[in-house]
Amino acid sequence: QKEVEQDPGPLSVPEGAIVSLNCTYSNSAFQYFMWYRQYSRKGPELLMYTYSSGNKEDGRFTAQVDKSSKYISLFIRDSQPSDSATYLCAMNRDDKIIFGKGTRLHILP
Amino acid sequence: DAGVTQSPTHLIKTRGQQVTLRCSPKSGHDTVSWYQQALGQGPQFIFQYYEEEERQRGNFPDRFSGHQFPNYSSELNVNALLLGDSALYLCASSPRAGAGLSETQYFGPGTRLLVL
Repeated sequence: QKEVEQDPGPLSVPEGAIVSLNCTYSNSAFQYFMWYRQYSRKGPELLMYTYSSGNKEDGRFTAQVDKSSKYISLFIRDSQPSDSATYLCAMNRDDKIIFGKGTRLHILP
Repeated sequence: DAGVTQSPTHLIKTRGQQVTLRCSPKSGHDTVSWYQQALGQGPQFIFQYYEEEERQRGNFPDRFSGHQFPNYSSELNVNALLLGDSALYLCASSPRAGAGLSETQYFGPGTRLLVL
């Protein structure tokens, strides 16, 4: 079993819809949970990070962590075509970052 | 602030050759980590440098080596290249190791390496 599992998609949703992206993990030692956005041919860009169970909101983005279920989510409200990218979940272990495979998201105008 | 910069942007090599990739960290950052991202995969941690020493290492063979210079810039060297080394190589920088390292890493645009 991989430490971090993420559905690679692609996921296509109409503009304005709420997007839900998810990851599961197996290692209880993970402390920080992060979401990165990666546009084609670019490096990953940190969107949000959190270290506790619960929700964290930043503009149209909400990160949710459920440590009891080992499940994290990223919600994007009022999705825009510019949100089309690959979204990577990531978690730290011993100061290394372990990434999921990434989910390719397409927002249809 | 220039952010994290990497050079070259693209590189083509043949099997058995050696390659050196370069990274300049974001201003104020002294820790550099290297990642390999194969097509359709998430980045995989190669190693991390702080105070000119390798501090952490992922599951990569000794063919992968690195260096950090006094100005915090870093190089990634790969010897005896294999076809499977074709990937996007990402450099990430962060402020002082051990002080909330993981969640404050900033990535460069990467170097795309193709091994023929």
